Amino acid sequence: GENVEQHPSTLSVQEGDSAVIKCTYSDSASNYFPWYKQELGKRPQLIIDIRSNVGEKKDQRIAVTLNKTAKHFSLHITETQPEDSAVYFCAGCGGSNYKLTFGKGTLLTVNP
Amino acid sequence: EADIYQTPRYLVIGTGKKITLECSQTMGHDKMYWYQQDPGMELHLIHYSYGVNSTEKGDLSSESTVSRIRTEHFPLTLESARPSHTSQYLCASQNSGANVLTFGAGSRLTVL
Repeated sequence: GENVEQHPSTLSVQEGDSAVIKCTYSDSASNYFPWYKQELGKRPQLIIDIRSNVGEKKDQRIAVTLNKTAKHFSLHITETQPEDSAVYFCAGCGGSNYKLTFGKGTLLTVNP
Repeated sequence: EADIYQTPRYLVIGTGKKITLECSQTMGHDKMYWYQQDPGMELHLIHYSYGVNSTEKGDLSSESTVSRIRTEHFPLTLESARPSHTSQYLCASQNSGANVLTFGAGSRLTVL
């Protein structure tokens, strides 16, 4: 089955700096890669996703890149703000298997 | 409003009690999932269903059971709760066509 590794487990940045979280996956059949943000005490919410026919996708200050050859994808947050502080989860999903396999999460702290 | 609803949000019970966590979605999704999560930690898949009368165990072994008699309803039951069951339980549903997973607000269970 799919295995998704996520790094780093914790990340601390200064407000205004960029943050990058990286994930690798094992199943070459995976074709859908979402990113979820979970604020303290709240449910995980989808913030951006990418499919395997696209190399990069951007939505305002967040972007995701995908390298299918290397089987890794990354979340980029620019101009970070304190409200970006949360746990971020990457996931992979592929082929006929609809289940998402999640990474272990990254706790991002943006210091004012 | 189309969403996924979980009740109760918080539950404190004694050891040995039987509990059922309710999950209902009004989005017409055929796929539903239960995750177990300790605060800020990994999302562990414990059960999933791809449709009525279809249930499967997830990646993390769980003493809970589930049923799927109606498309919109996916309750989780613990026959005899123990302190080790103390955790947050997140229900989710999925749009098959887009693979997007939507989470409920969660049920936080404490077993004394």
